[in-house]
Amino acid sequence: AQSVAQPEDQVNVAEGNPLTVKCTYSVSGNPYLFWYVQYPNRGLQFLLKYITGDNLVKGSYGFEAEFNKSQTSFHLKKPSALVSDSALYFCAVREGGSQGNLIFGKGTKLSVKP
Amino acid sequence: NAGVTQTPKFRILKIGQSMTLQCTQDMNHNYMYWYRQDPGMGLKLIYYSVGAGITDKGEVPNGYNVSRSTTEDFPLRLELAAPSQTSVYFCASRKTGGGLYNEQFFGPGTRLTVL
Repeated sequence: AQSVAQPEDQVNVAEGNPLTVKCTYSVSGNPYLFWYVQYPNRGLQFLLKYITGDNLVKGSYGFEAEFNKSQTSFHLKKPSALVSDSALYFCAVREGGSQGNLIFGKGTKLSVKP
Repeated sequence: NAGVTQTPKFRILKIGQSMTLQCTQDMNHNYMYWYRQDPGMGLKLIYYSVGAGITDKGEVPNGYNVSRSTTEDFPLRLELAAPSQTSVYFCASRKTGGGLYNEQFFGPGTRLTVL
């Protein structure tokens, strides 16, 4: 069965420093991976996705993610964090054999301090 | 486009009461979804629909019902509210063209408390 894990409940970084939010996955076929962000009291917003091709995927708001097949990881990164990046981040994998349904990780709270 | 809209934003129910959570999208998306979000648990799929008249169960369908009479609307019905249904509910939609890899668009959510 497909699954996705976000091993950190919370990540703390200082503004201007690089950030990484970790995600690992388990799939039986080709992985199709997504990152979403949720700001307080808001719905989820799409950041980026990996379907095929280049292992480095660029997305919204300066975020990027690195797909690593051998480590079954899809970590979210940003070179220089902003206080406004503070939010809840979800990794998701497309469920195999379904109508494109997504399985979400538990989420990682990112806190960026000035 | 308004995107995905949900009503109400907040609701408090008593045990055993019923209610319908409304969801509407104006993007002509065929796929629509209902999720619940519990603290530290991520999002769990309740029901989904691939088009008007077609619905199917997700991971946690017990205690809920859905219908899809139009492309735009996908209401979620709670028949006998229980405290375990206290959660934040999100509706989402996804366009069909381009394969199964299109991203989902989410509504702002409905915060439901059952006392």
